[in-house]
Amino acid sequence: QKEVEQNSGPLSVPEGAIASLNCTYSDRGSQSFFWYRQYSGKSPELIMFIYSNGDKEDGRFTAQLNKASQYVSLLIRDSQPSDSATYLCAVSSGSARQLTFGSGTQLTVLP
Amino acid sequence: KAGVTQTPRYLIKTRGQQVTLSCSPISGHRSVSWYQQTPGQGLQFLFEYFSETQRNKGNFPGRFSGRQFSNSRSEMNVSTLELGDSALYLCASSLARTGNTGELFFGEGSRLTVL
Repeated sequence: QKEVEQNSGPLSVPEGAIASLNCTYSDRGSQSFFWYRQYSGKSPELIMFIYSNGDKEDGRFTAQLNKASQYVSLLIRDSQPSDSATYLCAVSSGSARQLTFGSGTQLTVLP
Repeated sequence: KAGVTQTPRYLIKTRGQQVTLSCSPISGHRSVSWYQQTPGQGLQFLFEYFSETQRNKGNFPGRFSGRQFSNSRSEMNVSTLELGDSALYLCASSLARTGNTGELFFGEGSRLTVL
């Protein structure tokens, strides 16, 4: 059974700090990797996707992928209170619409 | 541009009943996926429809079914409801073109409570 593991947290960081969110996956055939953000009572929204080993940066967000270690991470630089949410790691082995989600990490950025 | 619309937003049913949930994707999106979200199991993939055909199916019993219409609107049906079916059911639409990231745009969900 394909699994995606995340530390459930909660993770608290002070405003302006770097938040580091981690995710491991079990299926070596996984091809696409996504980070979604879900505010309380809202639906998930895509923040980043990454397909190749290495880093991918988009503004304050950096996704890192290491397929050999089956590890994906998300770094949030200059964290803001508005970043407080649950971050979901998702993995796809085929169709990018059939995702296996982790349980999510709850992040709180303290003002 | 209108987002993904799901109806109803909230509903309460009793065990043994059936329920139909509706999803209207973003205009131009041809793929509709359904996910179940519960506190214990998180987000789990139910199925995906594209051009009125089910393309992928998750590990759910046959009581869970769906369909897609020619205008890309989709419905999912759960028959013989069980207490464990209480969840937030999320619909997501996607362009689903070759080379597309497959970004999923989620609706606000239909929250089902089974008593």
